[in-house]
Amino acid sequence: DAGITQSPRHKVTETGTPVTLRCHQTENHRYMYWYRQDPGHGLRLIHYSYGVKDTDKGEVSDGYSVSRSKTEDFLLTLESATSSQTSVYFCAIKTGSYGYTFGSGTRLTVV
Amino acid sequence: AQRVTQPEKLLSVFKGAPVELKCNYSYSGSPELFWYVQYSRQRLQLLLRHISRESIKGFTADLNKGETSFHLKKPFAQEEDSAMYYCALSSNFGNEKLTFGTGTRLTIIP
Repeated sequence: DAGITQSPRHKVTETGTPVTLRCHQTENHRYMYWYRQDPGHGLRLIHYSYGVKDTDKGEVSDGYSVSRSKTEDFLLTLESATSSQTSVYFCAIKTGSYGYTFGSGTRLTVV
Repeated sequence: AQRVTQPEKLLSVFKGAPVELKCNYSYSGSPELFWYVQYSRQRLQLLLRHISRESIKGFTADLNKGETSFHLKKPFAQEEDSAMYYCALSSNFGNEKLTFGTGTRLTIIP
């Protein structure tokens, strides 16, 4: 694969705490994305980035923020975690003209 | 706005029978369409994309612009085809967003 890793792989956190998920790539691709995967909803775009410090909202961005200070890292922050944010989070990168590669996912549980 | 619709949440097919997973889309421009597969608790993997017109693992999909569809087909189902399948659409102007359908869980009955 294109060298994309997510951390942590699993996390349990309490309601109201901030949480940051990290997506790291090794190949200098411009476009990076954060999705959440929920049964019955498929994958929904939270935020995406088209360059360092260039980000924009997706369809389910409320309660989430992102930062991209370096090409290789795209961070997703849940400012104050809620139970509705319990999900599996996938990072993706656009690796070529028509290709997208996904990370292994982060399973987040908010209790 | 771009939208992808997969009307079937669940699909069960007997081994050896033909498989068709439906996908319809709405997009004002010329779309790039993909099928992704996700085996149990694994990352999404690209199965095929319409622009390459190739067959992977016996699956094919044809873009029908008149019907705005990109159905996934396989003539003879195999047990290892049991997985979650997602249709996705990419816009190639500006934001390069990839929009997914809600997915179809395919189960192959031995």
